[in-house]
Amino acid sequence: GNSVTQMEGPVTLSEEAFLTINCTYTATGYPSLFWYVQYPGEGLQLLLKATKADDKGSNKGFEATYRKETTSFHLEKGSVQVSDSAVYFCALSDQGYGGSQGNLIFGKGTKLSVKP
Amino acid sequence: NAGVTQTPKFRILKIGQSMTLQCTQDMNHNYMYWYRQDPGMGLKLIYYSVGAGITDKGEVPNGYNVSRSTTEDFPLRLELAAPSQTSVYFCASSYSWTGGELFFGEGSRLTVL
Repeated sequence: GNSVTQMEGPVTLSEEAFLTINCTYTATGYPSLFWYVQYPGEGLQLLLKATKADDKGSNKGFEATYRKETTSFHLEKGSVQVSDSAVYFCALSDQGYGGSQGNLIFGKGTKLSVKP
Repeated sequence: NAGVTQTPKFRILKIGQSMTLQCTQDMNHNYMYWYRQDPGMGLKLIYYSVGAGITDKGEVPNGYNVSRSTTEDFPLRLELAAPSQTSVYFCASSYSWTGGELFFGEGSRLTVL
């Protein structure tokens, strides 16, 4: 079945450090891939997405490239800020897939803490 | 600019009590969802709805019920609360099934003692 695996946290970085959060997936067909972010005390919100192989999603300085050959969608940012402290979720949507997992399958989340 | 609104934000229940978590959205989305979030476990889908009058079970539906009488509202009912239902609950909605962009409420933290 479809699944998403992301690196376990927590990840602690100093301000201006480089960030990578790994995400790999298993899916039938050609899924769309997403990164969601959850700031403390809030719901999840979409950070970026990519809908086909080799697409790069980007937003707020974050980037992720859809790599079909390695079934990966790693999240990167060149210089993190304290305000980036949050939990990051990788997710996939396998178009047309339904059933008990719904339309979006989430990874377990990676908590990022950025220290000044 | 309300989006998805959940109430209450916090609630403590005793074992065996019942309650309803309210969720309403003002974006005219057909699709609505209830998730629970347990520490280190990500999000688990409880129930979802593809339109008014249509609901379906997610991965972890036991102990919960839902209804969808209008496009806007999607309440989640907990019957006979158990400690295993202690969690943070999120309601979400989306315009399409395949677009992948879900809009989430701020969450409802429920503790069952």
